[in-house]
Amino acid sequence: DAGVIQSPRHEVTEMGQEVTLRCKPISGHNSLFWYRQTMMRGLELLIYFNNNVPIDDSGMPEDRFSAKMPNASFSTLKIQPSEPRDSAVYFCASRYRGEMPEAFFGQGTRLTVV
Amino acid sequence: EDQVTQSPEALRLQEGESSSLNCSYTVSGLRGLFWYRQDPGKGPEFLFTLYSAGEEKEKERLKATLTKKESFLHITAPKPEDSATYLCAVQSNYQLIWGAGTKLIIKP
Repeated sequence: DAGVIQSPRHEVTEMGQEVTLRCKPISGHNSLFWYRQTMMRGLELLIYFNNNVPIDDSGMPEDRFSAKMPNASFSTLKIQPSEPRDSAVYFCASRYRGEMPEAFFGQGTRLTVV
Repeated sequence: EDQVTQSPEALRLQEGESSSLNCSYTVSGLRGLFWYRQDPGKGPEFLFTLYSAGEEKEKERLKATLTKKESFLHITAPKPEDSATYLCAVQSNYQLIWGAGTKLIIKP
């Protein structure tokens, strides 16, 4: 398996623009997480999906952030409009919610909003 | 409140100099404690899961142990390639509560 695949790896955008980050989880995994990582705050959980259904989005900073999981093999995180304080590395992780609870992470998307 | 504290924040060792990293936690209903390694520019890489006090797991030069209040990641005779940030997380319900990590630097 190729692991969790995220795209793009790097994104530079201007303030006010829409940004869409993409994630393909590991095949067979039924849980998906979106995290944000910064030096100041470390890893922060943004949203958690189980069987494609959003279970907890309390970590989503504000209405500018939205996430979807239309099927078991694809998820998006959208920021509209983007702001400089959104600059961070965004990770997607997936796991099989069963006997092996560990989550596996993608390589991340480094977002810079100028 | 669920909390995970890692120490030290950074640790510099000479190649071959063994040491330990600490992860202290307070959580209601521990469902698992996880250790990850993160290299610069990459996502966290899973190392170990521990479930109950007294449990130990080993992988190459790393050994993770667990008590009711903390976990240790022991590194024996480290090599420069062991340099990375080591992250600890505890599972409470479905959520992982993350520590801030220990940045380990092994000098040749």
